[in-house]
Amino acid sequence: NAGVTQTPKFQVLKTGQSMTLQCAQDMNHNSMYWYRQDPGMGLRLIYYSASEGTTDKGEVPNGYNVSRLNKREFSLRLESAAPSQTSVYFCASSGELAYLLGGTQYFGPGTRLTVL
Amino acid sequence: SQQGEEDPQALSIQEGENATMNCSYKTSINNLQWYRQNSGRGLVHLILIRSNEREKHSGRLRVTLDTSKKSSSLLITASRAADTASYFCATDARTGNQFYFGTGTSLTVIP
Repeated sequence: NAGVTQTPKFQVLKTGQSMTLQCAQDMNHNSMYWYRQDPGMGLRLIYYSASEGTTDKGEVPNGYNVSRLNKREFSLRLESAAPSQTSVYFCASSGELAYLLGGTQYFGPGTRLTVL
Repeated sequence: SQQGEEDPQALSIQEGENATMNCSYKTSINNLQWYRQNSGRGLVHLILIRSNEREKHSGRLRVTLDTSKKSSSLLITASRAADTASYFCATDARTGNQFYFGTGTSLTVIP
């Protein structure tokens, strides 16, 4: 039981390049989330998926797209990376929408992205 | 923003002492959670307290919630070096679609 896994662990991009961050969970959770963590800012929600086939914007969605490929996988895509997207990205999952039922979110180890 | 604010930003104590950190938030909530983050790792859920609860315990953790003051506190008793981490509160909102995380308290426990 690996929990939530993320790939890659580290990535360096040049401005304008694109990339996809991958996330998978093996806990049969319905809901999945993408956060970014910046120094002094806490975690901010980028996008979430309440269930397979649905996605919704969070607090800071601009510059990102997501795909809920199936129940296990939720990817985050940067179409044209900018230095402002340098951050640590965390994927999380929960059994149900955490904010509705007070469910626990389980986090992956993070992807450290630098955009030059 | 609904974002919680933790206080203090940083805390350094000796092993065996108690550590208290606080979280304040802005609007009414259904639930408040506390998470721990070890350096370079993802967040780990510690404890949840619902808006109709005032106090909750889990092992060496004690969480209180005062909805009239829109604040919560996390007490770690008999701290250990392994408790060294950042601690975040996360609040939902009675309306809206997400949890909001605070900026965290960095706790250092000196052996």
